[in-house]
Amino acid sequence: GNSVTQMEGPVTLSEEAFLTINCTYTATGYPSLFWYVQYPGEGLQLLLKATKADDKGSNKGFEATYRKETTSFHLEKGSVQVSDSAVYFCALHKTGGFKTIFGAGTRLFVKA
Amino acid sequence: DVKVTQSSRYLVKRTGEKVFLECVQDMDHENMFWYRQDPGLGLRLIYFSYDVKMKEKGDIPEGYSVSREKKERFSLILESASTNQTSMYLCASSLSAVNTEAFFGQGTRLTVV
Repeated sequence: GNSVTQMEGPVTLSEEAFLTINCTYTATGYPSLFWYVQYPGEGLQLLLKATKADDKGSNKGFEATYRKETTSFHLEKGSVQVSDSAVYFCALHKTGGFKTIFGAGTRLFVKA
Repeated sequence: DVKVTQSSRYLVKRTGEKVFLECVQDMDHENMFWYRQDPGLGLRLIYFSYDVKMKEKGDIPEGYSVSREKKERFSLILESASTNQTSMYLCASSLSAVNTEAFFGQGTRLTVV
């Protein structure tokens, strides 16, 4: 079946450090891939998305590239800020279906 | 902006009570979803609905039911609350099966004692 695996957290970084959160997926066909972010006390919100192979999604300095050959969608940011502290969820959605499959989430702490 | 509003941020209920969690979206979305979020397990889909009065079981429907009488409102019902249903509950909506970005409410933290 379809599934998403992302690195376990928590990830603790100092401000201005480089961030990578790994995400791999299992799915047939060509799903759309997403990163959602959940700030403390809030629901999830879409951070970025990619709908086909080699697409790069980007937003707020975050980037992720849809790699079909490695079935991966790793999240990166060149210089994190304290305000980036949150839980990050990788997700996939198969075209034509209703369900979005979420990973377990990775908590990021950024220290000043 | 799309807004998804859940009726309560925090709820405390007793074992055996019937519990209603309400969710309203204001952007005419076709699809609505109920998830529960537990540490280390991510989001797990309880039920979803793709149209008024239509509902489909998700991955963990046992102990829950839903109601969608109007397009903008999707209710989650715990028929007889149990302590293992203590969790964060998230409602979401999406425009269609083609435009699948999900918009989430702020969550309801339910504690069953």
